[in-house]
Amino acid sequence: AQSVSQHNHHVILSEAASLELGCNYSYGGTVNLFWYVQYPGQHLQLLLKYFSGDPLVKGIKGFEAEFIKSKFSFNLRKPSVQWSDTAEYFCAVNPNAGNMLTFGGGTRLMVKP
Amino acid sequence: GAVVSQHPSRVICKSGTSVKIECRSLDFQATTMFWYRQFPKQSLMLMATSNEGSKATYEQGVEKDKFLINHASLTLSTLTVTSAHPEDSSFYICSARIYRDFSYNEQFFGPGTRLTVL
Repeated sequence: AQSVSQHNHHVILSEAASLELGCNYSYGGTVNLFWYVQYPGQHLQLLLKYFSGDPLVKGIKGFEAEFIKSKFSFNLRKPSVQWSDTAEYFCAVNPNAGNMLTFGGGTRLMVKP
Repeated sequence: GAVVSQHPSRVICKSGTSVKIECRSLDFQATTMFWYRQFPKQSLMLMATSNEGSKATYEQGVEKDKFLINHASLTLSTLTVTSAHPEDSSFYICSARIYRDFSYNEQFFGPGTRLTVL
């Protein structure tokens, strides 16, 4: 079945550590890719998106993600996390620019001060 | 721009009552809106796609008679949970789509509505 997988369910890091969250999808064809963040008690916010062009996408708050088509991956990275990055992160895929936006299971990140 | 609001943000009701949740796109028109459900510590699950002026499209396993969706205008979609039961307690999130061309399709999310059915 077509799906979106986030391999890390919980990640705990110290401030200034580097972050990489994995996201893999199983759709063939053209995809639009997104990373969303949900801070405690808040709604989903878009971190970054990929539609086409440069596979290395830069988003807000120092986040970036790299689309590797051959690996069906869209991993999220940040070189140095802060305590304020504590949140849940969701990868989402929109295959063939259709209606459906399918979310991964989410990764809960805790950054220790 | 691209702000989506939901009302109410939180609702507590008795079992058997119906609850209406509104989703509005404040600064853009949305021919398509989406309703998601998020259980505690889980991801978002798409419930239905709401199309302005036509019937909603429900995902497999979602009861259309239970979750009534009305997309009466280009800025408003409503989700009514009919005869709510405790198992309907959840966080309901809507989103509205900005569709510019075939290659660009982004959804903007509302803040969510927490429904608690006693």
